[in-house]
Amino acid sequence: GENVEQHPSTLSVQEGDSAVIKCTYSDSASNYFPWYKQELGKGPQLIIDIRSNVGEKKDQRIAVTLNKTAKHFSLHITETQPEDSAVYFCAGAGNMLTFGGGTRLMVKP
Amino acid sequence: GAVVSQHPSRVICKSGTSVKIECRSLDFQATTMFWYRQFPKQSLMLMATSNEGSKATYEQGVEKDKFLINHASLTLSTLTVTSAHPEDSSFYICSAPVGARGTDTQYFGPGTRLTVL
Repeated sequence: GENVEQHPSTLSVQEGDSAVIKCTYSDSASNYFPWYKQELGKGPQLIIDIRSNVGEKKDQRIAVTLNKTAKHFSLHITETQPEDSAVYFCAGAGNMLTFGGGTRLMVKP
Repeated sequence: GAVVSQHPSRVICKSGTSVKIECRSLDFQATTMFWYRQFPKQSLMLMATSNEGSKATYEQGVEKDKFLINHASLTLSTLTVTSAHPEDSSFYICSAPVGARGTDTQYFGPGTRLTVL
């Protein structure tokens, strides 16, 4: 089955700086890669996703890149704000959604 | 995006009792729903796939007699934790894809915090 690894597990940045979270996956058949933001005590919220026919996708301050050859994808958040502080999960999907271990992002004001 | 609700948001029960958690897709129909369990500071672990009109599919290591799943309609799936024990205390989250494939966009409910005394 699919195995998704996510790094780093914790990330601390200064407000206004950029944050990058990286994930690798094992199943070359996976073709859908969503990113979720989870705030304390809440369910995951979809923030952006990318499919294998696209190399990059951007939505305001958030962007995701995908390298299918290397089997890795990344989340980029620019101009970080304190409200971006949360746990972020990447996931890969072939038949089922498999989650990475999560990254706790802390944005210091 | 699509909206998925869960009820209750938190429940405290005594050991040995059963607890039912409801998951509803509010603005779309879901032939498939997923149930996850999440321990503190850990990732989401898929427990089972709920299929409307047929039996649920459980992941390896998940006791189907312990975690009963019923997908009664195209908008409702329920998870019943039977004879709950303290080790069942966890955060339970459901999700529903807009479509039936793993590659369809999945929306998550807000989660249910179960505490078993």
